[in-house]
Amino acid sequence: NAGVTQTPKFRILKIGQSMTLQCAQDMNHNYMYWYRQDPGMGLKLIYYSVGAGITDKGEVPNGYNVSRSTTEDFPLRLELAAPSQTSVYFCASSYDRESGNTIYFGEGSWLTVV
Amino acid sequence: DQQVKQNSPSLSVQEGRISILNCDYTNSMFDYFLWYKKYPAEGPTFLISISSIKDKNEDGRFTVFLNKSAKHLSLHIVPSQPGDSAVYFCAASGAGGGADGLTFGKGTHLIIQP
Repeated sequence: NAGVTQTPKFRILKIGQSMTLQCAQDMNHNYMYWYRQDPGMGLKLIYYSVGAGITDKGEVPNGYNVSRSTTEDFPLRLELAAPSQTSVYFCASSYDRESGNTIYFGEGSWLTVV
Repeated sequence: DQQVKQNSPSLSVQEGRISILNCDYTNSMFDYFLWYKKYPAEGPTFLISISSIKDKNEDGRFTVFLNKSAKHLSLHIVPSQPGDSAVYFCAASGAGGGADGLTFGKGTHLIIQP
């Protein structure tokens, strides 16, 4: 019962490097999300997708890109890493609004930019 | 501009007693509210939710109360158990039809003392 799977769990990047955080869900959910959580703060929405081929910006999209080529996968791309992107990243998914919009989260990816 | 506020960063409760976690919101377009529980180094897990058409929802030891006129909700845990020690996030949706994710509070760290 995998649910939402994120990789890698931990990563250290140098300033200016790029990387992709992978996210996959096996629940056939339409909606997928990327959140970041900074210390002592709540989760903030980076990008979301309501279905394959459709993505949209959330509250804090700057410095990130996403794609949704399949229902299952929703990778998050950091092009030019900056120290401000040091955070914990959570991928999540939900079925639809009628299910109560309950969102299920992955275990998180800890990213440090030095 | 925080739309979902959890004003208590931490709360300490004795085992067996009632834990009451509070949450206030400012956006009157929110119509669905959720509580998530988060352990260290894990993703948030869904706990309980309530629609704005209700004022109470109960699930075992967990009850959520909603006061729409006051824009306030609370989570009651009775009786509190050691495994309840975690960070609890209040979240809300509805302003964007729910597809554009949840708005989270900063969380309350609940500590259950033996």
